[in-house]
Amino acid sequence: NAGVTQTPKFQVLKTGQSMTLQCAQDMNHEYMSWYRQDPGMGLRLIHYSVGAGITDQGEVPNGYNVSRSTTEDFPLRLLSAAPSQTSVYFCASSHGRQGAMGFGQGTRLTVV
Amino acid sequence: KNEVEQSPQNLTAQEGEFITINCSYSVGISALHWLQQHPGGGIVSLFMLSSGKKKHGRLIATINIQEKHSSLHITASHPRDSAVYICAVLPSRGGGSNYKLTFGKGTLLTVNP
Repeated sequence: NAGVTQTPKFQVLKTGQSMTLQCAQDMNHEYMSWYRQDPGMGLRLIHYSVGAGITDQGEVPNGYNVSRSTTEDFPLRLLSAAPSQTSVYFCASSHGRQGAMGFGQGTRLTVV
Repeated sequence: KNEVEQSPQNLTAQEGEFITINCSYSVGISALHWLQQHPGGGIVSLFMLSSGKKKHGRLIATINIQEKHSSLHITASHPRDSAVYICAVLPSRGGGSNYKLTFGKGTLLTVNP
């Protein structure tokens, strides 16, 4: 039981490049979400999913795409990276809407 | 204005002191989470509350739904408790399809030996 596995841990991108942040959980959690953490801003919700095939936007969705084809995986795609997307990204999951949350280890992304 | 306000922003204590971190929110909620993040580290869930009080070791979390307020207490604080403590609320509006958690900006706790 690995919990929430998030990769990569570090990434440097050039402006305009695309990439996918991977998030997988092996706890059969229905709810999964992506957050970005910026200094002085706290954690902000990018996208979330309440089950396979169901996704919705959070507070800061622009520039990011998600899909949820399986219960286990919830990848986050940056289509055309911008310096404003430099941040630390966290994936999280929970069993049920009011379940305790498990977080991935985080991805520190720098866009130059 | 952020829907979730934490106080204080920064807190320095001596080892052994009793610590209180506060979280106030402005919307009706289904649940409130307390999270811990060590410097440069990942995020760990400490508590999920929908009412009353929970205790785990030296940590106690309380919530007052009517007053829209929660507190996290640490008894007999230790340098290893030094971390950022984050409050997050799950709004009750929207039902099961709404999972839009809103976070406070965190409280940086430093416990000196």
